Amino acid sequence: SQELEQSPQSLIVQEGKNLTINCTSSKTLYGLYWYKQKYGEGLIFLMMLQKGGEEKSHEKITAKLDEKKQQSSLHITASQPSHAGIYLCGAFQGGSEKLVFGKGTKLTVNP
Amino acid sequence: GAGVSQSPRYKVTKRGQDVALRCDPISGHVSLYWYRQALGQGPEFLTYFNYEAQQDKSGLPNDRFSAERPEGSISTLTIQRTEQRDSAMYRCASSLGPSGAYEQYFGPGTRLTVT
Repeated sequence: SQELEQSPQSLIVQEGKNLTINCTSSKTLYGLYWYKQKYGEGLIFLMMLQKGGEEKSHEKITAKLDEKKQQSSLHITASQPSHAGIYLCGAFQGGSEKLVFGKGTKLTVNP
Repeated sequence: GAGVSQSPRYKVTKRGQDVALRCDPISGHVSLYWYRQALGQGPEFLTYFNYEAQQDKSGLPNDRFSAERPEGSISTLTIQRTEQRDSAMYRCASSLGPSGAYEQYFGPGTRLTVT
């Protein structure tokens, strides 16, 4: 079955710094979702990437999908305390509606 | 508009009791998913509905778990004879259509604690 590994597991940055979170799949990536989870709360949809090489941005967050590397990266520019939370990547398996998630990356942004 | 809602938000039950968790998807969303999330882990797929049809139940851990969506809208996840290992956050998500084409929107979850 497909597995997603996120790195790093946790990250502490100073406000204003840039950062990158990676999500690597053990199998071919047909598409990938990024979500943000605030501690103890629901999952907030950030972006969906459907094609290799696709890149999407929303405010200061950019996500890319590298089909060949079976990897996606999430980049935050000029981080703010509001960016703090747990970032989760989820991938759907070909021929199935099942969404497989990584364990998450916990981001702390210090003011 | 209204998002995905789940009830109850918190449920504490004694081992051996049955529980029913409810999910009210976004209006017009034909796909509905149930996930279970343990602390420090990502959500784990349980089951999927397309309208009222349960298309995939491969993630249900055992036959104590069942789900239904009789009218293609509200869904109920039922756990019979609960055990302590069933304690987790149970999340519901809905989407306009199949994975890969549409976003899945998650509800706030039901925190189940089995004592």
